[in-house]
Amino acid sequence: GENVEQHPSTLSVQEGDSAVIKCTYSDSASNYFPWYKQELGKGPQLIIDIRSNVGEKKDQRIAVTLNKTAKHFSLHITETQPEDSAVYFCASYTGRRALTFGSGTRLQVQP
Amino acid sequence: SAVISQKPSRDICQRGTSLTIQCQVDSQVTMMFWYRQQPGQSLTLIATANQGSEATYESGFVIDKFPISRPNLTFSTLTVSNMSPEDSSIYLCSVDLNGYTFGSGTRLTVV
Repeated sequence: GENVEQHPSTLSVQEGDSAVIKCTYSDSASNYFPWYKQELGKGPQLIIDIRSNVGEKKDQRIAVTLNKTAKHFSLHITETQPEDSAVYFCASYTGRRALTFGSGTRLQVQP
Repeated sequence: SAVISQKPSRDICQRGTSLTIQCQVDSQVTMMFWYRQQPGQSLTLIATANQGSEATYESGFVIDKFPISRPNLTFSTLTVSNMSPEDSSIYLCSVDLNGYTFGSGTRLTVV
């Protein structure tokens, strides 16, 4: 079945810097790649997603890139703020089953 | 994307008892998904619930332990039966409707 690897497991940046989280997937049939932000005590919140017919997608300070050939996708957060501190999960979806999640990245933005 | 209401938001239960978690969606959806998130871990799919048919369970999860109901296209319940401390987790329902979204989760503590 599908396997998703996520790196790094923890990431600490200074406020205003950029943060990058990377994921790789194994199933070439995967066609949908969402990213979630999870704050303490809350459910995962969908922050951005990308489908396999698109190479990049941006939404204000957040962007996701997809390299289908290499089977990896990345989350980019620019001009980080303390409120960006949370756990971020990547996931992939083939359409045949539900999402397969990465192991998560704990992002800490230092003021 | 869909809005999902999940309850209870948290509960503390005695071992050996059962808890039923409810999930209400503001749109009709064919499939609803139930996930478990153990402390400090990523999300693991428990089962997929289709309206009008039995739920499909993932490896390691069985119907006797996690019975699921799906009486209509906007509602589902997950029961955690005969609970033990190992069942302490966050349980989340999810749907895929113009984006794969999650409820706020049920934080279960078994004592």
